[in-house]
Amino acid sequence: DQQVKQNSPSLSVQEGRISILNCDYTNSMFDYFLWYKKYPAEGPTFLISISSIKDKNEDGRFTVFLNKSAKHLSLHIVPSQPGDSAVYFCAASDRGSTLGRLYFGRGTQLTVWP
Amino acid sequence: KAGVTQTPRYLIKTRGQQVTLSCSPISGHRSVSWYQQTPGQGLQFLFEYFSETQRNKGNFPGRFSGRQFSNSRSEMNVSTLELGDSALYLCASSPGPTRTDTQYFGPGTRLTVL
Repeated sequence: DQQVKQNSPSLSVQEGRISILNCDYTNSMFDYFLWYKKYPAEGPTFLISISSIKDKNEDGRFTVFLNKSAKHLSLHIVPSQPGDSAVYFCAASDRGSTLGRLYFGRGTQLTVWP
Repeated sequence: KAGVTQTPRYLIKTRGQQVTLSCSPISGHRSVSWYQQTPGQGLQFLFEYFSETQRNKGNFPGRFSGRQFSNSRSEMNVSTLELGDSALYLCASSPGPTRTDTQYFGPGTRLTVL
């Protein structure tokens, strides 16, 4: 049962515009969320995280928004650059869990074209 | 600091064989997690080790096992390989033991079972 869902397998955006990647979750025990980026033949790279006590977190061109009532989060990339082309994974951590088990979505392939 | 290293990077085995994969965490990190990535299921949590003890286990059969050594290096073993075990196996390390410590991934081991 997929507790973290990324319903868009792919997204194509023109360079300079905003990329919005979406993620939904079903488990109300999730209280910490992360986004990872993955290039082919590499492991996932941590991008940005957000705790459930916040609704927004920014880091440079990347902003994550959390809507707890809707169990929805999104990653905004502004402006998008061709180097951002990668698979983006949303992940969540369960407050009832020990240590660092993460639940991942299946990823969204972002393509940024010139 | 050197990143997470995984060996070997690629492996081809036949059904029924067993395999051992190795992970060396970032220096100073004491927590190691393992994930299986397949096209159909995304990243699925296998298990997590902290201070040589398995602290968490995902929903995988007993053919999947692991261990962690006193230097925090970890190995995972899969016995009686099946075709469905073909996947990218990712290792992630974090300082531990805090649940929200960022996990840093290695490049993975691509296992192909023929």
